[in-house]
Amino acid sequence: DAGVIQSPRHEVTEMGQEVTLRCKPISGHDYLFWYRQTMMRGLELLIYFNNNVPIDDSGMPEDRFSAKMPNASFSTLKIQPSEPRDSAVYFCASSLGRYLSGANVLTFGAGSRLTVL
Amino acid sequence: QQQVKQSPQSLIVQKGGISIINCAYENTAFDYFPWYQQFPGKGPALLIAIRPDVSEKKEGRFTISFNKSAKQFSLHIMDSQPGDSATYFCAAQPGGYNKLIFGAGTRLAVHP
Repeated sequence: DAGVIQSPRHEVTEMGQEVTLRCKPISGHDYLFWYRQTMMRGLELLIYFNNNVPIDDSGMPEDRFSAKMPNASFSTLKIQPSEPRDSAVYFCASSLGRYLSGANVLTFGAGSRLTVL
Repeated sequence: QQQVKQSPQSLIVQKGGISIINCAYENTAFDYFPWYQQFPGKGPALLIAIRPDVSEKKEGRFTISFNKSAKQFSLHIMDSQPGDSATYFCAAQPGGYNKLIFGAGTRLAVHP
């Protein structure tokens, strides 16, 4: 398996533009997570899905952020309109939950570094 | 969302020394405590994890110490090597939920 695949790896955009980040989870994983990493706040959980259904979006900072998972192999995180304070590295991760080992092991993608000018 | 407090923010250790990173939590519903390791340009990856029914877990040079009454846990890296230079995140998972709450991270630099 190629692991969790994220695109784009780097995105530079102007304030006010729409940004779409994409994620392909590991096949067979039924949990998908979106995290945001900044120096000040570390890794923040934005939203997570189970079997394509959003379970907890309490970490989504504002209505400008939205996430979808139309099928088991694809998810998007959209920011519209983007602002400079959204600059961060956005990670997607997937897992099998606790089912097999009793422990929830997250496999992270390489991240999408977003810079909003 | 800062339910897990991690310290120090950064750490410099000489090769062969012991690296110690500490985490504290408030939510007694947490029942799984992993540590993740992140190298530059990569996503975090699971390093070692512990459950609150044990006080210590060791895997090679890495040891988690867990103090349930104090609601604290720590990562010890024995015989630290330059290859251990990375950012380390502690995390906690609330029982019944499949989400991880991460600490702010510790940037470790091991000097030769």
